[in-house]
Amino acid sequence: GAVVSQHPSWVICKSGTSVKIECRSLDFQATTMFWYRQFPKQSLMLMATSNEGSKATYEQGVEKDKFLINHASLTLSTLTVTSAHPEDSSFYICSARGGGQGQYFGPGTRLTVL
Amino acid sequence: AQKITQTQPGMFVQEKEAVTLDCTYDTSDPSYGLFWYKQPSSGEMIFLIYQGSYDQQNATEGRYSLNFQKARKSANLVISASQLGDSAMYFCAMRYNFGNEKLTFGTGTRLTIIP
Repeated sequence: GAVVSQHPSWVICKSGTSVKIECRSLDFQATTMFWYRQFPKQSLMLMATSNEGSKATYEQGVEKDKFLINHASLTLSTLTVTSAHPEDSSFYICSARGGGQGQYFGPGTRLTVL
Repeated sequence: AQKITQTQPGMFVQEKEAVTLDCTYDTSDPSYGLFWYKQPSSGEMIFLIYQGSYDQQNATEGRYSLNFQKARKSANLVISASQLGDSAMYFCAMRYNFGNEKLTFGTGTRLTIIP
């Protein structure tokens, strides 16, 4: 149990376009989901906390107008990278708390902005 | 504020040997949880083991065990009988148990199992 999916698994886009990444909890409901960013050979950095039915909470230094988060249902959160630029190229990964104490991650989305 | 420290950037271990990955943490909150994750080259974060700050016993999950020393604020991961498939990045993480449940991660340890 406690499976989290992400879509797409990888995306290549042109500079200036927007990209939407979906995070779904497949077998449980998640009122809270988390979005992380990981640069090569580095650890995960929390970007924001996605709250079902309310506004996301962003970490210091993360532009909320650039990284739009919507948590419209108990099983789906989306991250939209608006007007993407090459410096936004990264590995984006979401997580949610499943049953018990576990916190489970999606498989991640590798974004490359040309 | 929470802080997680992993002092071993890389480790090489012979297959079938046991390996200990170090993790120390710093928090003033009495209620917290400690996690270990494995990240293979594919990028997915695989949940390995969890230890609660009030748990009396050290957590175990198959070949994984967590050596929890609360007074020393350490939560080392022990992998017994290592296998080639254990080669990956390993991250220690901490979560407060109340309020925002976000995880704070250490910098990771790259484990390479040698045949």
